[in-house]
Amino acid sequence: AQSVAQPEDQVNVAEGNPLTVKCTYSVSGNPYLFWYVQYPNRGLQFLLKYITGDNLVKGSYGFEAEFNKSQTSFHLKKPSALVSDSALYFCAVRDAPSGGSYIPTFGRGTSLIVHP
Amino acid sequence: GAGVSQSPSNKVTEKGKDVELRCDPISGHTALYWYRQSLGQGLEFLIYFQGNSAPDKSGLPSDRFSAERTGGSVSTLTIQRTQQEDSAVYLCASSLEVTGGYEQYFGPGTRLTVT
Repeated sequence: AQSVAQPEDQVNVAEGNPLTVKCTYSVSGNPYLFWYVQYPNRGLQFLLKYITGDNLVKGSYGFEAEFNKSQTSFHLKKPSALVSDSALYFCAVRDAPSGGSYIPTFGRGTSLIVHP
Repeated sequence: GAGVSQSPSNKVTEKGKDVELRCDPISGHTALYWYRQSLGQGLEFLIYFQGNSAPDKSGLPSDRFSAERTGGSVSTLTIQRTQQEDSAVYLCASSLEVTGGYEQYFGPGTRLTVT
């Protein structure tokens, strides 16, 4: 069975400082990994994904994430946080198409609060 | 292009009534998912459609919930005899399911309130 852990319910960071939102995962095959962001009273928006290739992937709004196979992690990062980055962030994992479940499993979400 | 759309955006219904929620996925996306999100909580998977394959209904919480997808496009989620615990935001998502296109695109959701 696949699973995702987001160990922090909330992350607080000052504007202009770097931010990290943590995610670890477990799958039976090769992982496809995703980050989504949910602004208040909105649906989820796709931020970035790791499918294959470079371990460092870049996405929307200046976010990036690093795939670490040995640590089974896919932490979301941004060099300089903005107040407008404050939102709920979800990590998701699924197996590659030749593997097990095609249905992504989502983490519980991490609330990012960026203070002015 | 157009994203995933859902209707209605809000639905208030009385306990015991049936409701239908609609999802229009992105054109050409073969996979369609329904999720439920309670206030401040994570996503609860409900049902998954992929092309012409039989849907994966493993997440439906009870037999009061059903869904169909007509013509590989529009999907309707039906909740019969609604209960107060059904109150939540129901999210629909679609994905392309080909190389380079496995991310999900979500609709804005339908907020269901059962009184």
